[in-house]
Amino acid sequence: KAGVTQTPRYLIKTRGQQVTLSCSPISGHRSVSWYQQTPGQGLQFLFEYFSETQRNKGNFPGRFSGRQFSNSRSEMNVSTLELGDSALYLCASSMKVGYGYTFGSGTRLTVV
Amino acid sequence: QQQVKQSPQSLIVQKGGISIINCAYENTAFDYFPWYQQFPGKGPALLIAIRPDVSEKKEGRFTISFNKSAKQFSLHIMDSQPGDSATYFCAGGDDKIIFGKGTRLHILP
Repeated sequence: KAGVTQTPRYLIKTRGQQVTLSCSPISGHRSVSWYQQTPGQGLQFLFEYFSETQRNKGNFPGRFSGRQFSNSRSEMNVSTLELGDSALYLCASSMKVGYGYTFGSGTRLTVV
Repeated sequence: QQQVKQSPQSLIVQKGGISIINCAYENTAFDYFPWYQQFPGKGPALLIAIRPDVSEKKEGRFTISFNKSAKQFSLHIMDSQPGDSATYFCAGGDDKIIFGKGTRLHILP
């Protein structure tokens, strides 16, 4: 059974640019959540999607957005990148909202 | 958003010893308390989880102790091994999962 796949694994972007990250959940999982991981703040919740609808959103500015497609694959977009957006972005999928998350290996974003 | 407080930040334990990580939560709506283990370069992996209607859950060398009245729970790793060296995260969940800031555990060989 394939795990959660995140692409790309690494990204380097310039301040002011935008970026799109992709997440393919485990087959049959309809819930996809996104987290930002930094050394100082740990794992911070960005948002969660279930059946193409955003169910929950964390305390991040509107520059952070996401969507989920009919096949449950999800994308996360960050516009007008700032240096502080440098982080590991993790995607997790589950069959139910808020339960039994399986994480991908993440996308390491570096903003220069 | 910090609703789960985790301690200590780092922990060093001798091989064969007991590793103990503690967490406290604020949100009484949480009905699911998982622990995750993360190795460098990998995403967190679910280790063990508990519901608030039980006070203890054991899986192999890993035990969660849960105190609902105190809003605290802890992870005990018995007979700690060098392969257990990782970062551990506790979490609380209702309709989303909120994580503690993590404990970096190092087991001395």
